[in-house]
Amino acid sequence: EDQVTQSPEALRLQEGESSSLNCSYTVSGLRGLFWYRQDPGKGPEFLFTLYSAGEEKEKERLKATLTKKESFLHITAPKPEDSATYLCAVQASGANSKLTFGKGITLSVRP
Amino acid sequence: NAGVTQTPKFRVLKTGQSMTLLCAQDMNHEYMYWYRQDPGMGLRLIHYSVGEGTTAKGEVPDGYNVSRLKKQNFLLGLESAAPSQTSVYFCASKDPIPGLAGEEQYFGPGTRLTVT
Repeated sequence: EDQVTQSPEALRLQEGESSSLNCSYTVSGLRGLFWYRQDPGKGPEFLFTLYSAGEEKEKERLKATLTKKESFLHITAPKPEDSATYLCAVQASGANSKLTFGKGITLSVRP
Repeated sequence: NAGVTQTPKFRVLKTGQSMTLLCAQDMNHEYMYWYRQDPGMGLRLIHYSVGEGTTAKGEVPDGYNVSRLKKQNFLLGLESAAPSQTSVYFCASKDPIPGLAGEEQYFGPGTRLTVT
């Protein structure tokens, strides 16, 4: 059974204080690992897809990395507008394979 | 281009009542999904569809039915609502691109359902 564990559950940062969010996973053949951002009362918004160990992707202050067992979402010099819940999900290989989501990490950035 | 839209945004039902949630997408996506999101839990897949006229069960299908009569619409039905179905429901869609390793899903804004 595919599993995704995200840590910590919640993270409070001061504006400008860089940190990382962790996503540990077990999957029977990784097809893709996805990061989403979710604002309160809204649907998840796609951020990144990572396909293989060693891959990295960046978008503004966010950088996602992938190893064979975990992914990190690094946030550099965060701003209050980065406050949100960040979701990680994995898709196993195979036809019509579905996403398995973690519980999310709630990030709060104080000005 | 509205993306994925959901109707209604909020609903309160009494135990035993029925209702249908509507999801519509204008991106011509083949695949569509229904999830529920509960506090302290990840998004859980209820049902999904890989094309017009097809449906399949996800992780938590009991108490729900779905239909995909048109490619752009995916309906989620609750025949006899129960308090355990109080949740936020999200619809998503994607287009599986041949040859690509993975494909992102695009989510709607959600429907907040309370069953009393």
